[in-house]
Amino acid sequence: SQQGEEDPQALSIQEGENATMNCSYKTSINNLQWYRQNSGRGLVHLILIRSNEREKHSGRLRVTLDTSKKSSSLLITASRAADTASYFCATFQGAQKLVFGQGTRLTINP
Amino acid sequence: NAGVTQTPKFRVLKTGQSMTLLCAQDMNHEYMYWYRQDPGMGLRLIHYSVGEGTTAKGEVPDGYNVSRLKKQNFLLGLESAAPSQTSVYFCASSYLGPNEQYFGPGTRLTVT
Repeated sequence: SQQGEEDPQALSIQEGENATMNCSYKTSINNLQWYRQNSGRGLVHLILIRSNEREKHSGRLRVTLDTSKKSSSLLITASRAADTASYFCATFQGAQKLVFGQGTRLTINP
Repeated sequence: NAGVTQTPKFRVLKTGQSMTLLCAQDMNHEYMYWYRQDPGMGLRLIHYSVGEGTTAKGEVPDGYNVSRLKKQNFLLGLESAAPSQTSVYFCASSYLGPNEQYFGPGTRLTVT
């Protein structure tokens, strides 16, 4: 069963705007990770946030984690055409494996 | 470094045929994974390995077998392909634990 559920499933914005994607999960986690997948390519790791962290930044990316609500959000600021991709959250609950959500398809319009 | 490579990139099989997908990594990673990606389903873990000579079942292991005889290689076998195994298969590796996984480019498999 899928642990992470992303919302929305698809998002289309204008270049320069901010994009926010959300991820909800069901059980306790050790950490939560976000990955990007460009069309026809493998996934690329973006950022990892541990269960005892509330916010993390990496360049134009900002991730928040609310363990009480079992949710996380990924904010991409000042979006660019190259940010067009699918974004997946993945949760590490133990047992040496990640569980991925179904992803958010982000389209940046010029 | 080549990172994670997968062979082949594309393959078409007939029902009942067998094949092996090869994953290789040159980053000295301990952990390796095989996933399948289907439309609307995200990635689902098939099998994984936490070190040379070890393998474990993931979420959807039926119909697949794996081997990790060398640290750098992780093989995924389909003994008798079925149309339900039509998918894109991704291999990934990580240094220690399932964090910051590095993915290969994928193998698109069609079973007719």
